[in-house]
Amino acid sequence: DGGITQSPKYLFRKEGQNVTLSCEQNLNHDAMYWYRQDPGQGLRLIYYSQIVNDFQKGDIAEGYSVSREKKESFPLTVTSAQKNPTAFYLCASSIPGQRNTGELFFGEGSRLTVL
Amino acid sequence: QQQVKQSPQSLIVQKGGIPIINCAYENTAFDYFPWYQQFPGKGPALLIAIRPDVSEKKEGRFTISFNKSAKQFSLHIMDSQPGDSATYFCAAWGNQGGKLIFGQGTELSVKP
Repeated sequence: DGGITQSPKYLFRKEGQNVTLSCEQNLNHDAMYWYRQDPGQGLRLIYYSQIVNDFQKGDIAEGYSVSREKKESFPLTVTSAQKNPTAFYLCASSIPGQRNTGELFFGEGSRLTVL
Repeated sequence: QQQVKQSPQSLIVQKGGIPIINCAYENTAFDYFPWYQQFPGKGPALLIAIRPDVSEKKEGRFTISFNKSAKQFSLHIMDSQPGDSATYFCAAWGNQGGKLIFGQGTELSVKP
């Protein structure tokens, strides 16, 4: 079945360590996104990519990095510079441009806890 | 101008009640307004969406009401059921920005 796969589902990290969250999609979508979810704050955009080898910062990019070397993959690295990394991270994809209805397809999320 | 403001933050209703969730936006360039439903531990999924050229859209028990002049839109859930208990997000999309702006979310609990 087509969809978005995020891994790992749960991740624990010590302070000062970098961690990479995986996001893979087989929907043949060009655009991919990373959101962070915290209670009472909705979904905040970290980074997004409209096409391979290109990405843009979202609203809260500080302390995060991404790459988009393949259409199917958009990994997110949470670096030690991120001051409050404990959160639920959601990856999504969509069809960009005029064909886009604005619908995003989400993965099931990765919950990161910093100990 | 890129914000979408959503209220209330949480809502408790009895089974059969009609919960209403409200959202407001400022950017008139937005041209697509979806609602997403999220169950605990899962990613959000599209529930229903509306474009600003219509004032109301209904799909099953879910209805969006849209007031373009007031720049507000709301979600109504008719005959709510315990299975509707979830977090609901409104959002706004403009092709120029190429990204979806979400409201803060409403945690709905429907009591049996």
